[in-house]
Amino acid sequence: DAGVIQSPRHEVTEMGQEVTLRCKPISGHNSLFWYRQTMMRGLELLIYFNNNVPIDDSGMPEDRFSAKMPNASFSTLKIQPSEPRDSAVYFCASSFWDTNTDTQYFGPGTRLTVL
Amino acid sequence: GQQVMQIPQYQHVQEGEDFTTYCNSSTTLSNIQWYKQRPGGHPVFLIQLVKSGEVKKQKRLTFQFGEAKKNSSLHITATQTTDVGTYFCAQQTAAGNKLTFGGGTRVLVKP
Repeated sequence: DAGVIQSPRHEVTEMGQEVTLRCKPISGHNSLFWYRQTMMRGLELLIYFNNNVPIDDSGMPEDRFSAKMPNASFSTLKIQPSEPRDSAVYFCASSFWDTNTDTQYFGPGTRLTVL
Repeated sequence: GQQVMQIPQYQHVQEGEDFTTYCNSSTTLSNIQWYKQRPGGHPVFLIQLVKSGEVKKQKRLTFQFGEAKKNSSLHITATQTTDVGTYFCAQQTAAGNKLTFGGGTRVLVKP
């Protein structure tokens, strides 16, 4: 199994530009999570989907952030317009959720730098 | 909101020594998970604890879930340089599959 795939691995952009991060979850998983990690704020859950439906987006910082999951094998996280404070590592994770277990498998992350 | 506190934030350990990191929640948990993130890497699942008072071992790592299901600990014996990284606990409540991660304990090993 290829694991969770994220692209790009590194992104450097200028303030005001649109950034799109991509994620391919593990085949057969029915939950997908987007996290942001910074030294100051640690690992924060931004949004998660179950069966392609957004369940909780309370962690999305503001309207500049949006996430979609058009099908079971693809999700995007978009930032428009980007700001320097958005610089962070963004992780996508997937899991197969049943009643009492939910082991999350993380992708390698996208390191975003906004200048 | 739900919060899970981890202590200590940093742990400098001499190679060969033992150490323990703790995870405390203000609410009763349905289960707790532990993850390890190597420097420059991504979090990797280690274990899940579900039952009150549960103890699980993985080689030199011992994980424990408190009797009240509000706290957990990870004890590492005879620390090795391969143990370097950040250890996160993550809480899951009964209301779905959302995980809330603690701040992590960053472990540095002195050879």
